[in-house]
Amino acid sequence: EVQLVQSGPEVRKPGESLKISCEGSGYTFGSHWIGWVRQKPGKGPEWMGIIYPRDSDTQYNPAFEGQVTISVDRSVTTTFLEWTSVRAADSATYYCTRHRCGGSCRPGKYYYGMDLWGQGTTVIVSS
Amino acid sequence: DIVMTQSPLSLPVTPGEPASISCRSSQSLLHTDGKNYLDWYLQKPGQSPRLLIYLGSTRASGVPDRFSGSGSGTDFTLKISRVEADDVGVYYCMQALQTPRTFGQGTKLDI
Repeated sequence: EVQLVQSGPEVRKPGESLKISCEGSGYTFGSHWIGWVRQKPGKGPEWMGIIYPRDSDTQYNPAFEGQVTISVDRSVTTTFLEWTSVRAADSATYYCTRHRCGGSCRPGKYYYGMDLWGQGTTVIVSS
Repeated sequence: DIVMTQSPLSLPVTPGEPASISCRSSQSLLHTDGKNYLDWYLQKPGQSPRLLIYLGSTRASGVPDRFSGSGSGTDFTLKISRVEADDVGVYYCMQALQTPRTFGQGTKLDI
C-alpha cells in the first residue's frame, strides 16, 4: 500500500527540541519530493518546505527557514521535521505530503499535485 | 507571496443540488508552458487534506466526475454537479506556481 505514516503526538515545553518523522512506503521513495505542511486549529494549511530524498535538495518557505530543518534518511525511507527550540506558536498539526512534480519541482516539468498525505502529527508546546 | 482568496467562506448546500466555489489569485497562475498551477484539496472533518484537482482542471485519481475544476489566469472555480452528504468539509485552493505554495482561506461546505 502506498502511504506516508507519521510519528505520534508530541508535547514539549518551550525551548525544548523536537523531531517528527514521516515514513514512506509502497512507492519509490527517492523519486518524489516530500513536503511539510502546518495547520493550526481552525486555520488553513501553510506550506513549510520540501525535500528531494534522492539528493536532499531542499526548498523552504522563507517564513519557516531558520526556524525548522527538513531532512531525510533514505535508508529508512523517512523524512524529518526538526526544531532546536520550540515555541508555543509552533503548536499545530503537521502533515507530510508527497509532491508529484518533475525537475526541481518548479513549473515546466510534470506536475500531479500533492497526491499523498500522512495522517498528521499533533504538536503541543506548553509550559 | 501569491495571495489566494476564496469565496464564499461558508456554503450550505442541499444534497442533489450543485455547488460552486471561487478562488482568485493575486498573480496569474498561467505558466509559459500553458498550464495553470492551481490545485483543489478537500479536508473532511478530522482527516488530512486530499487532492481533488490539479493543474486547474485535472481530476486526481479516484475523484468522482461530479467534481470539476475550471478557470485560467487569476480566476478559478470548483464545481460539484450534485452534492452528496459525504462531500462535507473544507475546500482549499492552492497555487503551485511559486515557492512558497500558498493556500486560500478555505470554504466550509455543509449540508
